[in-house]
Amino acid sequence: EDKVVQSPLSLVVHEGDTVTLNCSYEVTNFRSLLWYKQEKKAPTFLFMLTSSGIEKKSGRLSSILDKKELFSILNITATQTGDSAVYLCANRNAGGTSYGKLTFGQGTILTVHP
Amino acid sequence: SAVISQKPSRDICQRGTSLTIQCQVDSQVTMMFWYRQQPGQSLTLIATANQGSEATYESGFVIDKFPISRPNLTFSTLTVSNMSPEDSSIYLCSVGGGVSSYNEQFFGPGTRLTVL
Repeated sequence: EDKVVQSPLSLVVHEGDTVTLNCSYEVTNFRSLLWYKQEKKAPTFLFMLTSSGIEKKSGRLSSILDKKELFSILNITATQTGDSAVYLCANRNAGGTSYGKLTFGQGTILTVHP
Repeated sequence: SAVISQKPSRDICQRGTSLTIQCQVDSQVTMMFWYRQQPGQSLTLIATANQGSEATYESGFVIDKFPISRPNLTFSTLTVSNMSPEDSSIYLCSVGGGVSSYNEQFFGPGTRLTVL
């Protein structure tokens, strides 16, 4: 069964700090890894990673995938209070009838204090 | 990205009753998914809604409890039947993925269900 593990489970920082969120996975048929930000109900799409070593960047957020070591990181620089949210990592399976299925990690709760 | 709407946004229901959640997408999509997020938990896939055929359910979820309709490529419904307090969750519709699985995947705004 596919497994996605995130760490840390929670993180408290002050505005301006840089944070690194971790996601490791064990999957039988890897296709892609996705990062989401969840503030209230709906997860908001951040990044989709399919290739190792290629950094994806959007403003202060960036992410990279290591398919050899089976992990991904999400970096947030110069954090702001608006970055406070749950960050979810998910693996997309490519096998059999499960194609398109996302397996989520537990999430990292990020709290940014002023 | 696709624009996804869900109705209702939230509801409070009595045990033993059923609730149907609607998901509408602003463009035709091949794959539609229904996820559940129980309090304090991460998201779990309930089923894949297939247009023109029966939904494909994940282990632990059955059609009698969570019947799904997918009448066309822009719309789907999920019914939570014979509800109990354990069904209190956020239910989320998602689109994307596809056979190639190289497509981004997006979520609707969610339906927060409380069962008393």
